[in-house]
Amino acid sequence: SYVLTQPPSVSVAPGKTARITCGGNNIGSKSVHWYQQKPGQAPVLVIYYDSDRPSGIPERFSGSNSGNTATLTISRVEAGDEADYYCQVWDSSSENWVFGGGTKLTVL
Amino acid sequence: EVQLVESGGGLVQPGGSLRLSCAASGFTFSSYEMNWVRQAPGKGLEWVSYISSSGSTIYYADSVKGRFTISRDNAKNSLYLQMNSLRAEDTAVYYCAREAVGVGAISTDAFDIWGQGTMVTVSS
Repeated sequence: SYVLTQPPSVSVAPGKTARITCGGNNIGSKSVHWYQQKPGQAPVLVIYYDSDRPSGIPERFSGSNSGNTATLTISRVEAGDEADYYCQVWDSSSENWVFGGGTKLTVL
Repeated sequence: EVQLVESGGGLVQPGGSLRLSCAASGFTFSSYEMNWVRQAPGKGLEWVSYISSSGSTIYYADSVKGRFTISRDNAKNSLYLQMNSLRAEDTAVYYCAREAVGVGAISTDAFDIWGQGTMVTVSS
C-alpha cells in the first residue's frame, strides 16, 4: 500500500518560515491535502489539491508538490500555528485514503 | 451552521460490538460523500471507511474490512459505522468527515468538515 513519510517534528521561531515535507513514491502525480490538528480538537483542512486554500485559511499557508515530495509552507509563523500537521492522498490502486504519520510543529 | 456530531462511543469488551452515528446539519447531506477516520490515543490519523453520496460505493481500510460496516440514511441526514469483533487496537477517537466538493460538484477527496469525534475504548 502507498506510504506517506513526514518528519516527526519541525521547530521554527516566530516570524520565520516553516516547511513540512511529505514524501511518497511519485507523489507529484497525486493530489495532496494538508490538515492542522491542535490538541483536543478535530483536524482542519488547510490546503487541498496541493496548493489551494479553503476559505478562512490565511494566505500564510501554501503548498507545493513535485516529484517524490509535497511541502506545506507556513510563512510568518505565529504561536497559534503550533499544532500537528498531516498530509493525505487518495491511493487509487488500493482504493484507500492514506495519511502521513504527522509532523508536530513547535514554535520556539 | 454546517455541522457533524458523532455519538455512540463508549467502553466495550474485546469481541463486542458498537454502532457509531454521525448527525449532519447545515448542508445537503445526500449530496456529499462521507468518511470515518480514527485516531488512537497519542497517534496519528487513520482512514477507516468511505461511502458515496448514494451509498452505492463503499471502501474499507484493510484493518477493519470484514468487521466494520459503513452505511447512511439520507432521509435522516445520518452516517453510521457498525463495528463488530472489536479489538484493543480499535481503541480510538472516531471522526466522521465530509468530502469537499469542487468545481462541477466533483469530490476533491479532501475532508473539509469534521465532527468533534467520539471515543471508543475496547478493554476488558
